[in-house]
Amino acid sequence: DAGVTQSPTHLIKTRGQQVTLRCSPKSGHDTVSWYQQALGQGPQFIFQYYEEEERQRGNFPDRFSGHQFPNYSSELNVNALLLGDSALYLCASSLVGTADDLRGQFFGPGTRLTVL
Amino acid sequence: DAKTTQPNSMESNEEEPVHLPCNHSTISGTDYIHWYRQLPSQGPEYVIHGLTSNVNNRMASLAIAEDRKSSTLILHRATLRDAAVYYCILGSSNTGKLIFGQGTTLQVKP
Repeated sequence: DAGVTQSPTHLIKTRGQQVTLRCSPKSGHDTVSWYQQALGQGPQFIFQYYEEEERQRGNFPDRFSGHQFPNYSSELNVNALLLGDSALYLCASSLVGTADDLRGQFFGPGTRLTVL
Repeated sequence: DAKTTQPNSMESNEEEPVHLPCNHSTISGTDYIHWYRQLPSQGPEYVIHGLTSNVNNRMASLAIAEDRKSSTLILHRATLRDAAVYYCILGSSNTGKLIFGQGTTLQVKP
């Protein structure tokens, strides 16, 4: 059973560019959350998608947007990149409302984004 | 969002028990206490969670104070593979928004 997968592994962009990161949830999971982790810090919640809609959102500007597809995979888009957007972007999946949610969220290995 | 306080770092010897403390004096009645850990170069992984009673699973035990203002994650026999950052998180749902703090960096010495 494949866990959460993310692509690409690493990415380098320049200021002002746009980036799209991709996530495939654990098999059977229907909810995807995105987190940003700056170096030496804990992850910060960006938003969560369920049934193709944004269900919760953290304190991130509108430059951060997302999408969830019918197969539950998800994309994170960041526009007008800033140097401060350099971070590890983590995707987590879960299955709400079942015994599986007792095991919490399953995280992928992340995408390392560097903005120059 | 209720806040948690953890020591920045702790050390342990291999095969000895480790007690990782967490203070959460502003916890609400509906907040669960969750623990996740992040191994080097990996995403966080779920460890354990509880509401009021102590909890055990194959990875660890969670001891919750009677007033719920503090809790302790217990690793019964630390191994080198347990070296990680351990996060104590409060939340009403195990699958909703997780608010991570700085966590405790655990070093395990052989």
